[in-house]
Amino acid sequence: DADVTQTPRNRITKTGKRIMLECSQTKGHDRMYWYRQDPGLGLRLIYYSFDVKDINKGEISDGYSVSRQAQAKFSLSLESAIPNQTALYFCATSDLGTRNTGELFFGEGSRLTVL
Amino acid sequence: SQKIEQNSEALNIQEGKTATLTCNYTNYSPAYLQWYRQDPGRGPVFLLLIRENEKEKRKERLKVTFDTTLKQSLFHITASQPADSATYLCALAPYGNNRLAFGKGNQVVVIP
Repeated sequence: DADVTQTPRNRITKTGKRIMLECSQTKGHDRMYWYRQDPGLGLRLIYYSFDVKDINKGEISDGYSVSRQAQAKFSLSLESAIPNQTALYFCATSDLGTRNTGELFFGEGSRLTVL
Repeated sequence: SQKIEQNSEALNIQEGKTATLTCNYTNYSPAYLQWYRQDPGRGPVFLLLIRENEKEKRKERLKVTFDTTLKQSLFHITASQPADSATYLCALAPYGNNRLAFGKGNQVVVIP
């Protein structure tokens, strides 16, 4: 089983619909992130959470919200989806620990299409 | 403004040769720099990390250099194989900020 699991893997929805992307991890990491990836734009950070009580905006948080339900779960919501939110979304985790590397572990991605 | 720049053109290279990718950054003072590999439709996978006080890091056929004066990292794949074909992303963590920022990636195509 994957250490970082994202659901759904693919979703097609219509403009104005509410969408939730879910992420769960078995790595025991405190830090979780949501990125989106668009062709030609690379990975951009939407939101991140350094522990259950900590939520922070990334560089492109407008139109998104998140919830950290538990250490292992971090969900991303689009309250009213619009076509330019069509992208590949990645959840990632990290654990600085004593090695202090900040290495990210990514899920397999959720491909979202907004019509 | 802050930028992380990787070559947008794919690097086509003959099997067995060394592939070299460049990552340049501006207006960052990174504590470390990381390299990831990404296959189509998959999540990035961590390869190597190099800290600001390290000049070079190796892992099997991979080598990374980090020049904080030039604000540049070079990523080398020696004895390249078709299985090395992928997109390679550089990412860096600014001081006092553990949020990684990514370059757009550079595709490598190894020709048998």
